[in-house]
Amino acid sequence: AQSVTQLGSHVSVSEGALVLLRCNYSSSVPPYLFWYVQYPNQGLQLLLKYTSAATLVKGINGFEAEFKKSETSFHLTKPSAHMSDAAEYFCAVTENTGGFKTIFGAGTRLFVKA
Amino acid sequence: GAVVSQHPSRVICKSGTSVKIECRSLDFQATTMFWYRQFPKQSLMLMATSNEGSKATYEQGVEKDKFLINHASLTLSTLTVTSAHPEDSSFYICLLGTNNEQFFGPGTRLTVL
Repeated sequence: AQSVTQLGSHVSVSEGALVLLRCNYSSSVPPYLFWYVQYPNQGLQLLLKYTSAATLVKGINGFEAEFKKSETSFHLTKPSAHMSDAAEYFCAVTENTGGFKTIFGAGTRLFVKA
Repeated sequence: GAVVSQHPSRVICKSGTSVKIECRSLDFQATTMFWYRQFPKQSLMLMATSNEGSKATYEQGVEKDKFLINHASLTLSTLTVTSAHPEDSSFYICLLGTNNEQFFGPGTRLTVL
């Protein structure tokens, strides 16, 4: 069965600084990996996804993530944080073993300081 | 991408009542839909997999008699929280799609008084 670990329940950066949110996964088969963002009292919005094509995936709002099989990681980055990036971020892994199932990490709250 | 709706978006009910939440796909036929629950400041936890035309598959620790799931058609799945209690207050979200194309409903906020 697959699992997802997000290192750091809270990350705080200054506006304009690099954003790095960490995600490690385990999966018995080649996984599909996702990053979602959730703003307070709202649903989930897809930022980007990895589906076995290019290992460096670019998403919306300037975010990107790199799939590293050797490290079983899929860390999310953004070169320059903006105040509007403050939100909860979830990494998710989907495993297809006769039927697919998506499991979410615990989430990382991103704070952006002015 | 697919358009997924949930109804109602918010519901407040008294303890002991039952609440039905609909997840409807407007343009995607889904043989499988998933129901998640998210408690405040927590992650999404998979509750069950809803299979069109057959019984739902529940995750460990989820009471199937309390959370009734009916996947009536390829575009509609319903989750009924029976005899709701305050501890059932949560954000319920449906998901449908394939392994690399997934679409979330906007969620239903349930508050049980």
